[in-house]
Amino acid sequence: EIVLTQSPGTLSLSPGERATLSCRASQISGNSYLAWYQQKPGQAPRLLIYDTSSRATGIPDRFSGGGSGTDFTLTISRLEPEDFAVYYCQQYGTSLWTFGQGTKVEIK
Amino acid sequence: DVQLVESGGGLVQPGGSLRLFCAASGFTVSNNYMNWVRQAPGKGLEWVSVIHNNGGTYYADSAKGRFAISRDNSKNTLYLQMNNLRAEDTAVYYCARVGTWSRYAMDVWGQGTTVTVSS
Repeated sequence: EIVLTQSPGTLSLSPGERATLSCRASQISGNSYLAWYQQKPGQAPRLLIYDTSSRATGIPDRFSGGGSGTDFTLTISRLEPEDFAVYYCQQYGTSLWTFGQGTKVEIK
Repeated sequence: DVQLVESGGGLVQPGGSLRLFCAASGFTVSNNYMNWVRQAPGKGLEWVSVIHNNGGTYYADSAKGRFAISRDNSKNTLYLQMNNLRAEDTAVYYCARVGTWSRYAMDVWGQGTTVTVSS
């Protein structure tokens, strides 16, 4: 079973700054089915990125995903006030899904 | 509008059972992979179970032998039967759709239903 490790646990940044979030898999899955979700307090997760680098419908282009193999990143080019939230990576592998433990992006 | 609405959560004693419901609208449940994902208080997301469009079912190790996922096509509803509940099953339970376009990512989520296992 693949384990996803996200870093850092917390990212303290100011609006307008660039955020880079990391997601490392314990092994190569052999596919690119890596997704990123945003979750705000009291809300359900929202899909941001699927298939490593494709933005979901309605997601602003300041969000971008990349990576391959075991190392993946989510980049928010310029943080808006509504972007402060918790972000999770997720990988699909043979009829099961694994989530990372999350990175909290907080206002500095 | 595409929507998922969960219900059925509540307070249950350890060893008890509960059945969760997820009513879908705007799309057909049987055409998609449908999942249950849970989140313990203050913790991250944990995938629980999936039912494929062909009816195949799969479970996380934590759910195997105790939980059962199913659907009623006539009601366009997803279910999660949870038996022998433990304190560590306390969580918000979300149902989530894997989109036909989203390459195994979950593109639609319900608002969640809260399960509390406590004596």
